[in-house]
Amino acid sequence: DIQMTQSPSTLSASVGDRVTITCRASQSISSWLAWYQQKPGKAPKLLICKASSLESGVPSRFSGSGSGTEFTLTISSLQPDDFATYYCQQYNSYPWTFGQGTKVEIK
Amino acid sequence: QVQLVQSGGEVKKPGASVKVSCKASGYAFTKYALHWVRQAPGQSLVWMGWINPGNGDTQFSPKFQGRLTITRDTSASTAYMDLSSLRSEDTAVYSCARASGGGFDIWGQGTMVTVSS
Repeated sequence: DIQMTQSPSTLSASVGDRVTITCRASQSISSWLAWYQQKPGKAPKLLICKASSLESGVPSRFSGSGSGTEFTLTISSLQPDDFATYYCQQYNSYPWTFGQGTKVEIK
Repeated sequence: QVQLVQSGGEVKKPGASVKVSCKASGYAFTKYALHWVRQAPGQSLVWMGWINPGNGDTQFSPKFQGRLTITRDTSASTAYMDLSSLRSEDTAVYSCARASGGGFDIWGQGTMVTVSS
């Protein structure tokens, strides 16, 4: 199985901060990576697919980059609605796997 | 609108089986793969398997091989996830999700399955 490792596990930030979350794959997954946002008690929401392709309706302050084994999710200016847990997921090969999550908290 | 609606929460005893349904609406059911993902309390997401609603083909994570069955009823636009030999570690929220090219773009609301004696 491909292991996905996110860092940090928890991130404390203020509104307006630039935030970067890293996701590393245990082997190359090309650009077959998605990012999700999840709020407590809710289903995950797809933000980005193919490493850098923003889903329709997702604010442009979200961006993704990377390929191979290293990927980043960046929020250019953190908004109150962005405090949540973020997950990366590889869909290069089965079984598809998720990272352990990064919780973005209010500083 | 495009949505996936799941059946309600379940409480099961160890060793029992659970069947969760996922009804699709607002799109062509047979055109998109349907996956199942679970999330134990406070934990990350775990991919379980998927079904091609068009032809019924399935693929499962080795973690659940032998215990997991995924089926569909095209006339009802509904997929089903059946997990057998339940143990306490299977307590989790089980969700169906539509795959659209890359990633899961539509999710069900989740079904809490509690395994307790």
